[in-house]
Amino acid sequence: QVQLVESGGGVVQPGRSLRLSCAASGFTVGLYDMSWVRQAPGKGLEWVAFVSATGRNKDYADSVKGRFTISRDNSRNTLSLQMDGLRVEDTALYYCARQGGGDSFDLWGKGALVTVSS
Amino acid sequence: SFVLTQPPSVSVAPGETARITCGGSHIASEIVHWYQLTPGQAPLLVSYFDNDRPSGIPERFSASQSGNTATLTITRVEAGDEADYYCQVWGGSSDHRLFGGGTKLTVL
Repeated sequence: QVQLVESGGGVVQPGRSLRLSCAASGFTVGLYDMSWVRQAPGKGLEWVAFVSATGRNKDYADSVKGRFTISRDNSRNTLSLQMDGLRVEDTALYYCARQGGGDSFDLWGKGALVTVSS
Repeated sequence: SFVLTQPPSVSVAPGETARITCGGSHIASEIVHWYQLTPGQAPLLVSYFDNDRPSGIPERFSASQSGNTATLTITRVEAGDEADYYCQVWGGSSDHRLFGGGTKLTVL
C-alpha cells in the first residue's frame, strides 16, 4: 500500500527540540522530491521544508529557516524534520508530502501533531 | 510578497456547481494545483498541472486559469464534497512556494 506515516509529534516547551519522522511504503522514496507542510490550529496550509530526491538540495520557509533541518535516508525510505528552538507559533499538524507532477503534492500522510507550550 | 487569495467560504446546494477561485498577482506564470482537506484524513490532490486529475478523482472536478485567477469547478456537487479546498503554486524561490488561505465548501 502506497502511504506516508508521520511520527514523533508531541508536547514540548518553547526553546526545546523535537524530531519528526516520516516512513514511506509502497514506493521508492529515493525517486521523489519530498516536503514537510504544516497546518496550525484554525489556519491554512503552510509549506515548511523541501529536500530533493538525492538529498543534495534543501530549502526552507523563512519562518523556520535556521531552526529546522530536513533530511532523508533513502536506504530506509524515511524523511525527517529536526526542529530546534521551537516557538509557540510552531504549534501545528505537520504533514509529510511527496512531490509529483508540476511539483504538486501527490501523496500525503495523516500528519503528526506538535504542540509548543509552557 | 506573493499571496494567493481564496474566498473563505462557498455554499451550494446538492447537484449545483461550486466554483472556488484563487487569485494572485503572479499566478498567470505559475502552475496551480488544488487539494481537498477533510478532518481526520490525509490531504488529497484533486487537480494538478492546471487541469489534470489524479487517478480516482471524478470528472466532476476541473480546474482552469484566466489571467491572475485560477478556478476549481465542482459540478453536480455531492454531500461528500464538503471539505476545505486549497490552491497551491511551487515557484522558483521559497517565497513563491505557498498555498492559498483555503475555502470551506458547504453543501447545503
